Amino acid sequence: NAGVTQTPKFRILKIGQSMTLQCTQDMNHNYMYWYRQDPGMGLKLIYYSVGAGITDKGEVPNGYNVSRSTTEDFPLRLELAAPSQTSVYFCASSLGDTSGNTIYFGEGSWLTVV
Amino acid sequence: GESVGLHLPTLSVQEGDNSIINCAYSNSASDYFIWYKQESGKGPQFIIDIRSNMDKRQGQRVTVLLNKTVKHLSLQIAATQPGDSAVYFCAENGGSNYKLTFGKGTLLTVNP
Repeated sequence: NAGVTQTPKFRILKIGQSMTLQCTQDMNHNYMYWYRQDPGMGLKLIYYSVGAGITDKGEVPNGYNVSRSTTEDFPLRLELAAPSQTSVYFCASSLGDTSGNTIYFGEGSWLTVV
Repeated sequence: GESVGLHLPTLSVQEGDNSIINCAYSNSASDYFIWYKQESGKGPQFIIDIRSNMDKRQGQRVTVLLNKTVKHLSLQIAATQPGDSAVYFCAENGGSNYKLTFGKGTLLTVNP
């Protein structure tokens, strides 16, 4: 299994541009997540999904959108990129809920907005 | 709001010594806790977890201790190796079935 795969690894965006971070998992996990990590900080939840067709906001959803059309894929869309969105983005997945189900993370996507 | 924090932001140890990384949490509803290791330029990697009905759990060279009375979690690494150098995060679920709250992390440096 490849686990959780994210693309691109690195991207530079200009202010106001839009882009999509792709995420796919091959573990047949129901739950998927997007986190962002700012320098020297922990991870903050942006959006999550408990299954295909279902998405919900996390702690910091503003400026982002997601969709979950299949179990495997959970893309994160940035509309009108702002410098405050410069961060490292991690996609993750788990078999079930967080009361005992381990969350597995992708390798991260480094995004810089200039 | 609820938070998970670490007592020490950095920890430097000699190779072969034991390491102890501490974490305080404030949400009494949390019933699941995880320790993650994050190497530079990589995603967090699961190390060990513990449910609130336990106070100790052991893995390979790692032990997690949970003290619910004082809301404290620790990660012990035995015979620390240079490959253990990384940032270590604790995380708690806050009783939620979807969300993990992460601490800021502790940077562990192992000196040869």
